[in-house]
Order: sequence, then C-alpha cells, then structure tokens
Amino acid sequence: QQQVKQSPQSLIVQKGGISIINCAYENTAFDYFPWYQQFPGKGPALLIAIRPDVSEKKEGRFTISFNKSAKQFSLHIMDSQPGDSATYFCAASITWHNQGGKLIFGQGTELSVKP
Amino acid sequence: ETGVTQSPTHLIKTRGQQVTLRCSSQSGHNTVSWYQQALGQGPQFIFQYYREEENGRGNFPPRFSGLQFPNYSSELNVNALELDDSALYLCASSLGVDRSTDTQYFGPGTRLTVL
Repeated sequence: QQQVKQSPQSLIVQKGGISIINCAYENTAFDYFPWYQQFPGKGPALLIAIRPDVSEKKEGRFTISFNKSAKQFSLHIMDSQPGDSATYFCAASITWHNQGGKLIFGQGTELSVKP
Repeated sequence: ETGVTQSPTHLIKTRGQQVTLRCSSQSGHNTVSWYQQALGQGPQFIFQYYREEENGRGNFPPRFSGLQFPNYSSELNVNALELDDSALYLCASSLGVDRSTDTQYFGPGTRLTVL
C-alpha cells in the first residue's frame, strides 16, 4: 500500500526561480515529515523536516508548508540554483511508542535547475 | 558527511546466491534501519534494529535478515537472491527511536546487481 504520493516526477526550473514539490499522505498517525535530497551515487541527506503541530518551517532557501486537514505537505526552494539539481524525496513516519525511524518515502522528484 | 559508512560499494551476485552487506553507524547511534532503493524509486523500509533487537519490519520476506552488533556495526543478509533484489541498499542510523532522537543519517549505499 503506497502511503506517500509525490509529484511531480520531474521538474525543470530556471536559476533564481521557485521549485515546488508536493506530497500527500494517507496515514493520519504519521507525525514526522522530512525531506531528503539525494545526489547521484550518494545516500539521501536530510534537508528539512516538520512536525504536524506547525504549518510552516523555513530554513534558509527551503520551506516546508504543511496542511494537516488536507494531509498534504510541500517543499519550496526559493532562488533555485544549479547546485540544487538533485532528486528530492518526501517521507513520513510515526515517532510515538518508540516507532521512530521507519520512514515511508515518496517516489521522488528529479529537479533540474537551468543556468 | 553523515559518518555512516557501508561496504562494499558495489557487488555482483548470481540468482540463488547469498549476500551480506555491512554498515557502520555513527558512534552512539543505537538504531539502524535498512532500506532498498530500486532504480528511479524512493527507498523502501526493510527493517530496523534498536539496541541489537529487531524493532519493526517492512513488507520483505524472511530471506532478508539482519544483525546489529554492540560496536555500532550491522549487517543485512539476503538469501536465495532473485533478479528483483537488484537495487541500492541503504542503511541509516539514529540515536534512538523516539521523537527527539530519530533523525536518520544515511550511508552512501551498496549497489547490488543480481544476474
């Protein structure tokens, strides 16, 4: 059962533009929503994460928007740079009752930022 | 760098063989989770070990097994390899499994090819 759906599958943005990637989840028990960045030949690296008690979290050029009622969350990359070109994964997990760390990933979005 | 290492980097096996993949977590990280990432897909949770005991398993058959050792190293064993087992295998470590300690740090992965 696919529990986290991610779109778009691929995204091309001009340098300086805004990249937006969306995810939707099904399991209302999820209480931790991280975004990972993966470069070719590397493992995923944590970019930014949010808990459902806030609707937005910003770290530098990266912002997560979270809509609990719609069961959706999104990643916004402001002032996108060619170095941001990578595959981005949203994920979700349950952290209560010592169940943390079992991440359910979306299918990934391949972002290409054109100079 | 996450401080999580994996070996070998690449591995080629034939169908029916057995394979052991290794992971070395950050010192002090009591939790290790293993993921399978097929080409073009998001990682899928295989299982998690917390303080040397299995702490949850994804939708993978029993021929996928693991071990975690007191020195923060761990193994993923796969018996009776099938062609569909070809993938990037990732390990991720974290301090613990509760809300405050479950941030996952991924290794670079082992690329397994089954012929």
